[in-house]
Parts: sequence; structure tokens; C-alpha cells
Amino acid sequence: GAVVSQHPSWVICKSGTSVKIECRSLDFQATTMFWYRQFPKQSLMLMATSNEGSKATYEQGVEKDKFLINHASLTLSTLTVTSAHPEDSSFYICSALGQAGQPQHFGDGTRLSIL
Amino acid sequence: DAKTTQPPSMDCAEGRAANLPCNHSTISGNEYVYWYRQIHSQGPQYIIHGLKNNETNEMASLIITEDRKSSTLILPHATLRDTAVYYCIVSRGDAGNMLTFGGGTRLMVKP
Repeated sequence: GAVVSQHPSWVICKSGTSVKIECRSLDFQATTMFWYRQFPKQSLMLMATSNEGSKATYEQGVEKDKFLINHASLTLSTLTVTSAHPEDSSFYICSALGQAGQPQHFGDGTRLSIL
Repeated sequence: DAKTTQPPSMDCAEGRAANLPCNHSTISGNEYVYWYRQIHSQGPQYIIHGLKNNETNEMASLIITEDRKSSTLILPHATLRDTAVYYCIVSRGDAGNMLTFGGGTRLMVKP
């Protein structure tokens, strides 16, 4: 089955630093990747949609300058949380979509803790 | 995207079938019904999806009513490892039509 790898699985860092999260589709080409955020006891909230070779589309209320998304190839998208602060602490999850009509497949998430 | 309605929680005895309902009365003709589940602290796992016909795979069965306004996910022999939050989502499934996660159903499988 389709596999999406997300790295790192967890990270702890100091306030003010930037953190990069990678999302890779291992056995299929992902025309589109999605980034979600999930706070404790809440559902997943879509942050942005990323298409290979073009700028990401951000959901309302998500700061594009704070959450930088790069989708440089059909198998890799990265999310960089710039100048992270404690309120950015959350569970970040990516998903990848191959062909239309087929299901999105999700990574195992990255738990980000900002001290 | 059409909205879905699911019960917030359900219990099921281990070894019995778990039947999880979902209402999607405003579903459009070109929208699929997707089911995912999320086990604590993991990313959502794809289970099954369908458009009109009932579907079955190694994990579950999906029963969609003829008018497509509701569906049921069936786990035929629930195990403790099936304890998770189950999400029913309707979507066109293309790049411009993302998945919108609601509250889901928290299924607790009990010994």
C-alpha cells in the first residue's frame, strides 16, 4: 500500500528557533500534499495545500510567512515553522494524494514542543 | 464539501462486529465517502472508500444506502487494536477538494 513517511516524529526546541518537517511519499508520486495541525482532544485542521512546483495555498488564519511550505518534487514536501513559539506546539501531520479519486495517505505526524 | 454527522462515541465487545454509522444527506453526485481512523498519537489511517456501491477490503466493509445519504462502516470482528477515532468524510477526492475532518466517532473496543 501507499506509504507516507514524515520526519522527525517529535522535536523539542527553544522558542525563537525554526523547525523543518519533511513529508515523503515513498512508493508513489504525490501531485498534491496537505499539511494539517491537531491540538489535543481536537480534530485535524487543514493548514495548507501544496502542489509540486507551485506556491502553497493556505487556509484562512494560517500565516504563510510563519509556516513555509516547499514542494520541490513529486515525493517531497517540507513545512518550516519559523521563529517558533510555545503556542505553535502541536501535532503536525502531512498527507499525500496521488491520482484523483484515490485516497490521501497520511504520515505518522510530528509532535512539536516549543519551550 | 458535504458535511457528515457521526455519533461521538460507541462501545463494542471484542470479537463482535462494530457498525459505525454516518449521515451525509447533502452529498453530491461526484463525492466519495471516505473512512479513516486515528489511533492515539498517530496519523490517520485510510480504511476504505466508495462512491455508490458497497465496498469490502481486508480491513472493513462499507455499506452505502441507495440514496447515498448515509453509510455504515463495518469492522467484522473488532479487536482491542481497533480502538480509535473513526472519521467519515465526503470529498470529490481531487487535489482541489481536501478532506475536512469532523469530530468522528470514538470507538472503544472492550474485552
